[in-house]
Amino acid sequence: QSVLTQPPSVSGAPGQRVTISCSGSSSNIGAAYDVHWYQQLPGTVPKLLIYGNTNRPSGVPARFSGSKSGTSASLAITGLQAEDEADYYCQSYDNRLTGWLFGGGTKLTVL
Amino acid sequence: QVQLLESGPGLVKPSQTLSLTCTVSGGSITSGDYYWSWIRQLRGKGLEWIGYMYDSGSTFYKPSLKSRITISLDTSKNQFSLKLSSVTAADTAVYYCARARNWNDVPYLDYWGQGTLVTVSS
Repeated sequence: QSVLTQPPSVSGAPGQRVTISCSGSSSNIGAAYDVHWYQQLPGTVPKLLIYGNTNRPSGVPARFSGSKSGTSASLAITGLQAEDEADYYCQSYDNRLTGWLFGGGTKLTVL
Repeated sequence: QVQLLESGPGLVKPSQTLSLTCTVSGGSITSGDYYWSWIRQLRGKGLEWIGYMYDSGSTFYKPSLKSRITISLDTSKNQFSLKLSSVTAADTAVYYCARARNWNDVPYLDYWGQGTLVTVSS
């Protein structure tokens, strides 16, 4: 059981909007630590998708956006495409566990 | 363009020490505000941060692995290494090296190696 909780799976049809949540606590996200998101396409290396809660690295489409509020963060994907089918991970820091954390990951299926 | 490449044995016997090296090209491991990191992914599972070394020489390890892990830098070869002792089958995973860039005390991983599968088996 990860300290950062993500839904195991989400799905959506092409063109739809989906959100992936990352739920934490007062020792991590709620302690104002930033959240980053990674995309891992099948059989590939994880890739940075969002850093600092809301920032997109160069080359990441604007369809991907991040937000954070209280003890949770979210990744939103609009205009869903087949190529978005992947595993998505959130990452932050926990001051009680004194270390970086990844969420358990969410598998996105494009119907 | 920074590139990282892991190398090391793909098979390690139980109770022995897993040793991996990450060779960095396209940038110096002594430049900038970076954390040279190891992450692993158990088969079919999620990502697990193992630890990192800051270019000043400071290290930080996952608490549950702290007694078994050593990360070191070899600046002459632009490499950093991971040693994990007393391995068991539970340590079988794909091991990634990565560069993390500091961001408000929560570094993000901006460059990753391709990953290397290490199997612990007799």
